[in-house]
Amino acid sequence: LAKTTQPISMDSYEGQEVNITCSHNNIATNDYITWYQQFPSQGPRFIIQGYKTKVTNEVASLFIPADRKSSTLSLPRVSLSDTAVYYCLGGPEGGGNKLTFGTGTQLKVEL
Amino acid sequence: ETGVTQSPTHLIKTRGQQVTLRCSSQSGHNTVSWYQQALGQGPQFIFQYYREEENGRGNFPPRFSGLQFPNYSSELNVNALELDDSALYLCASSLSAVQSSPLHFGNGTRLTVT
Repeated sequence: LAKTTQPISMDSYEGQEVNITCSHNNIATNDYITWYQQFPSQGPRFIIQGYKTKVTNEVASLFIPADRKSSTLSLPRVSLSDTAVYYCLGGPEGGGNKLTFGTGTQLKVEL
Repeated sequence: ETGVTQSPTHLIKTRGQQVTLRCSSQSGHNTVSWYQQALGQGPQFIFQYYREEENGRGNFPPRFSGLQFPNYSSELNVNALELDDSALYLCASSLSAVQSSPLHFGNGTRLTVT
C-alpha cells in the first residue's frame, strides 16, 4: 500500500496555475497515481490518472517523474469553483481499485 | 447516463439501532465500493462488491455488512449503531475492479447517530 503525503492546504488566486505535489515513496511498480476532487457535501470526483511521464485532459495535467516517487497535479487558470479538497492516491488497499484516501489538500481560490 | 444515486440523503438513528443504506450504480458498472467519511477526513474504504461477491474489505467490524444485487445496485447495513458511526457514507461504482477503472461516487448518505 503506497502511503501518500501532500500539503494540508494551499491558497491561490483566480487565473493562476496551481500545482499540488504528492509524494508516494513506496509506490509499487504496477500502481497508478490517481487524483480526485471533492466539494463539501459531495462525493469525490475523478480528475486524472497516470502511470508515468505526463497525462493531460480537459481539466488538469499530471506530471510523474521517472522515479515515480512523486507526482504533481497542475490546474491551469483556477477559478473560485476550483476551491475543493484534492486527493492524491497511490497503490490500492488490497489490490484493484480499492483505493485508500488520505486527508487531501484543501485548495482555496480567492478573487 | 444516470450517475450513482444514494438513498436516503440524510438519516438520524439512535445508538444500538440498525440502518440500511442504498446505492444504485451507474449504468454498465459491475463494481460497487463503500466508503465512510468522518468530518474533516478522507473517505475510508469499507468493502467492495464485484458481480455480487464481496471483493475485499477494509478495517471495519463485522457489524458492517453489504449486498450487491443482480442489477449491481448495493446495500450497506450497519448493526448495533455506535456514536462513532456518524459520518457521510459514500458509494462508488466502477466499470470493473481493476486499478485503472476510476470510481464514480454518489453524493452520500449523511448518518447521524444520537
